[in-house]
Amino acid sequence: SAVISQKPSRDICQRGTSLTIQCQVDSQVTMMFWYRQQPGQSLTLIATANQGSEATYESGFVIDKFPISRPNLTFSTLTVSNMSPEDSSIYLCSVGLAGGELFFGEGSRLTVL
Amino acid sequence: AQRVTQPEKLLSVFKGAPVELKCNYSYSGSPELFWYVQYSRQRLQLLLRHISRESIKGFTADLNKGETSFHLKKPFAQEEDSAMYYCALRRNNNDMRFGAGTRLTVKP
Repeated sequence: SAVISQKPSRDICQRGTSLTIQCQVDSQVTMMFWYRQQPGQSLTLIATANQGSEATYESGFVIDKFPISRPNLTFSTLTVSNMSPEDSSIYLCSVGLAGGELFFGEGSRLTVL
Repeated sequence: AQRVTQPEKLLSVFKGAPVELKCNYSYSGSPELFWYVQYSRQRLQLLLRHISRESIKGFTADLNKGETSFHLKKPFAQEEDSAMYYCALRRNNNDMRFGAGTRLTVKP
């Protein structure tokens, strides 16, 4: 299993600002994923972040808006840039282990005013 | 196209009644399917996976390739089963595609 810590757990931000979400894992993992869960919606994959390579973004998500860092095998950050109210969402960090199971952080609830 | 469909957003049953949460998928390869659950104020967690063919908390799910379904079933629902349930399909690059989710409410 894996224990994942996300910071911040929640934040209220002003339009036009940027926020960086941190994800720390208690073990070394190759694959980390960032998901978004908009109010009343399911989880949507933003990008896959593998250590040592550029993040791979899903359709509809771009690096300029959601830059991701993956400096080592236990840590990643997701930045939500130039925020608008439409970015209000829960952002989830997850890691994939052998067997296919994903472990999730508790999420970062972002409200943009 | 890779898609997971959960047709019911809300499902309500009485305690002790059987419950079935529906999930259909479309995937060109050999699918790996999972059910995840999110209890109130808890993080999303794995409930069961089709490969294991196991029963967790009384829940089972059988992969039916002919009907492209992976419905979650429990013969006697309990109040503590009330939660949000997501069906998920594992893709080749190991990430998951999630269905829209079904909120199950078990009434006393």
